[in-house]
Amino acid sequence: GQNIDQPTEMTATEGAIVQINCTYQTSGFNGLFWYQQHAGEAPTFLSYNVLDGLEEKGRFSSFLSRSKGYSYLLLKELQMKDSASYLCAAMDSNYQLIWGAGTKLIIKP
Amino acid sequence: DAMVIQNPRYQVTQFGKPVTLSCSQTLNHNVMYWYQQKSSQAPKLLFHYYDKDFNNEADTPDNFQSRRPNTSFCFLDIRSPGLGDAAMYLCATSREAGAYEQYFGPGTRLTVT
Repeated sequence: GQNIDQPTEMTATEGAIVQINCTYQTSGFNGLFWYQQHAGEAPTFLSYNVLDGLEEKGRFSSFLSRSKGYSYLLLKELQMKDSASYLCAAMDSNYQLIWGAGTKLIIKP
Repeated sequence: DAMVIQNPRYQVTQFGKPVTLSCSQTLNHNVMYWYQQKSSQAPKLLFHYYDKDFNNEADTPDNFQSRRPNTSFCFLDIRSPGLGDAAMYLCATSREAGAYEQYFGPGTRLTVT
């Protein structure tokens, strides 16, 4: 079956760095997306990886290893506004998105 | 600004009373999606349209139907809402089918009493 695993909740300190991991199993693979979702709001796109390696975009970076079925989202210089859920979603061979349940990130002062 | 708009933002309906949620987009995207999301769960794809070509996910209950009368608008009909249908309903668009990012509307929070 197709599956996404990511931690349910993580806590980090303002100004610090946090890494949110995601492992996936899909029938075929057409890339991996990360979305941010604040409580009660819609998801917003953060990143897309289809090739192995690290993609950096400001304070946020995303990494992919296709051979390991693994990705992570790295958030640097954490700010209180980064408190949100982070959803990992893998695209299968039919271009269907398989979504994770999200990792709730709590930022403490 | 180009965007995805959902109305209403909050909807309360009675058990068994039909309800329609609406979505419009000014992005001129070909693909539109309806998701159901319950608290702390992954979004669950209900339907998607490539242009007017309708695609029903295999496990979407018959209680849910959808219409896309034109490129800009899409509707989600819940024929007989049950308590288990209380959720956030998210409309999303993407430029094309395939590996494109999805743009989400703000969602409609449905309460069933």
